[in-house]
Amino acid sequence: DVKVTQSSRYLVKRTGEKVFLECVQDMDHENMFWYRQDPGLGLRLIYFSYDVKMKEKGDIPEGYSVSREKKERFSLILESASTNQTSMYLCASSFPGLAQPGGYNEQFFGPGTRLTVL
Amino acid sequence: SQQGEEDPQALSIQEGENATMNCSYKTSINNLQWYRQNSGRGLVHLILIRSNEREKHSGRLRVTLDTSKKSSSLLITASRAADTASYFCATDRASGSRLTFGEGTQLTVNP
Repeated sequence: DVKVTQSSRYLVKRTGEKVFLECVQDMDHENMFWYRQDPGLGLRLIYFSYDVKMKEKGDIPEGYSVSREKKERFSLILESASTNQTSMYLCASSFPGLAQPGGYNEQFFGPGTRLTVL
Repeated sequence: SQQGEEDPQALSIQEGENATMNCSYKTSINNLQWYRQNSGRGLVHLILIRSNEREKHSGRLRVTLDTSKKSSSLLITASRAADTASYFCATDRASGSRLTFGEGTQLTVNP
């Protein structure tokens, strides 16, 4: 069974704190993703990574950074947490998608971290 | 704007009825996937349909894809209370692994 785990289910932090959200997958997936999910906005991609030490910005990278030092671990960092970063954060992983018709890239999700910034 | 947009936003039905959710998208795709999310949890992959397929079945799920209309539908037959969840469509663009998710349809199945 594919397993994607996230370090915390619930987290409460104060404005200005540095926050680390950790994600670990055990399927040797090359790709890892961080999303945030907010009511009425669906899932929005923050950052993703195709390989170790590689990262690419998603749709909403402002205020976030990431780190991928090992293949199985992808960390999301909030350098200085703000109240508008209160959200559900979802990590996912997948094998590489194939840049051709019929490419297959099912994503496997962790349980999510609900972060509240006070 | 979102690549995938589901409608309706919310759907409430009785147990045993069928539930149909629709997804529209804007650009060409490799495949379209449907995911389910139980309240407060991560998403779980349900079914994938490739761009050269028109219909696919998996248990009580039936997915159709009309690339000319850039739309897909997910049908859940003989719904159960346990089907209560949010359902999301996700599309991948031609260039790689990234998925774009819609805002989801909240399905409530009343016992």
